[in-house]
Amino acid sequence: NAGVMQNPRHLVRRRGQEARLRCSPMKGHSHVYWYRQLPEEGLKFMVYLQKENIIDESGMPKERFSAEFPKEGPSILRIQQVVRGDSAAYFCASSWDRTDTQYFGPGTRLTVL
Amino acid sequence: GENVEQHPSTLSVQEGDSAVIKCTYSDSASNYFPWYKQELGKRPQLIIDIRSNVGEKKDQRIAVTLNKTAKHFSLHITETQPEDSAVYFCAASSDKGGGNKLTFGTGTQLKVEL
Repeated sequence: NAGVMQNPRHLVRRRGQEARLRCSPMKGHSHVYWYRQLPEEGLKFMVYLQKENIIDESGMPKERFSAEFPKEGPSILRIQQVVRGDSAAYFCASSWDRTDTQYFGPGTRLTVL
Repeated sequence: GENVEQHPSTLSVQEGDSAVIKCTYSDSASNYFPWYKQELGKRPQLIIDIRSNVGEKKDQRIAVTLNKTAKHFSLHITETQPEDSAVYFCAASSDKGGGNKLTFGTGTQLKVEL
């Protein structure tokens, strides 16, 4: 009964590098949400995807950030040319359908040096 | 868009006492209100949720109440235990548009003291 999986759990990048964060939803779930949590703050919505489709990216910064959820494989959140302000915990959540409960993964803690 | 406010930001109670955390929301279309518990360095875990067609829901020591007219909802924890110490987040969402994105409150750090 595997829950939502994320990897890596910790990621260190230097400014200007790329960061790739992966999320495997719970078995049977085809809806994935990405949230960002800055230190000492709440979670902020970034993007909502279904298989092969971005449904809502209203919380995603316009530049450097992109997300995908291919037909096969995990969902990927990609951050290009990282800056120190990107340092945060990135959580993904999955649900069985679009109104169902969202279950969170353990998060990826990104540190930008 | 939706805005969720949460109070208090910190709450300290004695073991065995009750704890109440309150949230307000702005979007009248919101119809789903989950509460998550997050321990330090861990994932948010759903502890209880309520939909707008009910006013109250209870699960053992945890209860949530919803007042749609006033647009506020509250988490009640009775007989608190040290393991209840964590950060609690409320959230709100609606199923209008394309999804069910959650808008979170800023969190309440609950400390249960022996």
